[in-house]
Amino acid sequence: AQKITQTQPGMFVQEKEAVTLDCTYDTSDPSYGLFWYKQPSSGEMIFLIYQGSYDQQNATEGRYSLNFQKARKSANLVISASQLGDSAMYFCAMREGGGTGNQFYFGTGTSLTVIP
Amino acid sequence: DAGITQSPRHKVTETGTPVTLRCHQTENHRYMYWYRQDPGHGLRLIHYSYGVKDTDKGEVSDGYSVSRSKTEDFLLTLESATSSQTSVYFCAISEVAGAPTGQFFGPGTRLTVL
Repeated sequence: AQKITQTQPGMFVQEKEAVTLDCTYDTSDPSYGLFWYKQPSSGEMIFLIYQGSYDQQNATEGRYSLNFQKARKSANLVISASQLGDSAMYFCAMREGGGTGNQFYFGTGTSLTVIP
Repeated sequence: DAGITQSPRHKVTETGTPVTLRCHQTENHRYMYWYRQDPGHGLRLIHYSYGVKDTDKGEVSDGYSVSRSKTEDFLLTLESATSSQTSVYFCAISEVAGAPTGQFFGPGTRLTVL
């Protein structure tokens, strides 16, 4: 089974509108972390936001927020007030806790295009 | 920005030749990772290291080996490159298990195997 599932290969959003990028995860580990990364066309991977499995509140970082629904194993990224510079690939990732592994699992990504 | 460099940044090689990619960090982070990125697959873990001389396999380790003789360097070797190993390779580092900042990534190496 896939550890991270991103079901939206491509998304379009009008500039200044909000957009939600979906992510579901699969783990039986009670301790885990969820991350979102942005990859613009230049290729670098940029960390956006983190949510810990024990965090009670949804994480927020500026225009980014993570809609964490633990029971549904969902960790959707919400970008408010989209900007042209938000056009990029977005990857959801999970780190499972415990041991020395500290492994990360990535989804296949969602390509976001912001339309002027 | 985290100090991570990868070398070379681009490489074209022929099937059957050995290739070594280097990842160098100046952050003294414990964990280092090698991923490959392919269209439709996202990033897939090849190998990772949790300390000097401590390494383990990821989900796509066949055909790859790694070495870490110093904290700052993590080498990825393709013993005999194949066309299926044409990809973009990313190195990443992580400070400690449970760090809320996740991983920091290098700029990537684009490898083409002809």
